[in-house]
Amino acid sequence: QQPVQSPQAVILREGEDAVINCSSSKALYSVHWYRQKHGEAPVFLMILLKGGEQKGHDKISASFNEKKQQSSLYLTASQLSYSGTYFCGTEARGTGNQFYFGTGTSLTVIP
Amino acid sequence: DTAVSQTPKYLVTQMGNDKSIKCEQNLGHDTMYWYKQDSKKFLKIMFSYNNKELIINETVPNRFSPKSPDKAHLNLHINSLELGDSAVYFCASSRRGSSGGYGYTFGSGTRLTVV
Repeated sequence: QQPVQSPQAVILREGEDAVINCSSSKALYSVHWYRQKHGEAPVFLMILLKGGEQKGHDKISASFNEKKQQSSLYLTASQLSYSGTYFCGTEARGTGNQFYFGTGTSLTVIP
Repeated sequence: DTAVSQTPKYLVTQMGNDKSIKCEQNLGHDTMYWYKQDSKKFLKIMFSYNNKELIINETVPNRFSPKSPDKAHLNLHINSLELGDSAVYFCASSRRGSSGGYGYTFGSGTRLTVV
């Protein structure tokens, strides 16, 4: 039931773009995205509730494809401060909206 | 003003001991959680309480016992600690089911090391 994220790890130079994908084997009610910096707690980025929804702030945005049971997180013009581990979290339909975090994607931005 | 506070931040203890971790939130959220994060960084749900009532109890050894005296507090007591219990434990809170479009707010974590 744990959603699978890809890639597992990515290294970027400042200014480059990245996409992190989150796939579930179950139909989804919602998708969350979090960032966790080393030694810190996960921090909520955004939640997507409707299929086809796209959200974003600053240069980080996400989309939710309900039919494919997938979500993608887009980081554009990456900054050093974007480094960390990104987690999606999904609530699956028909499970009482049980919530599971994804497998995580380690993102490192280098100068 | 810390939104979700956990104590202690670090806990080093010997095998077989009993220990507790405390969590308090001042956000007015009605649902609280305990998560375990292992060395591979997987975040695994352990327990969830809604208004002091247990709603999720994943497959966790019964040495782990949560207690929620009120909806702002959720404590975790661990009996007979084992080496495999070493991990970072996070408390989190949210509005009910997060279906209102709100995410989880996490505490700063408790790094438990069993020696």
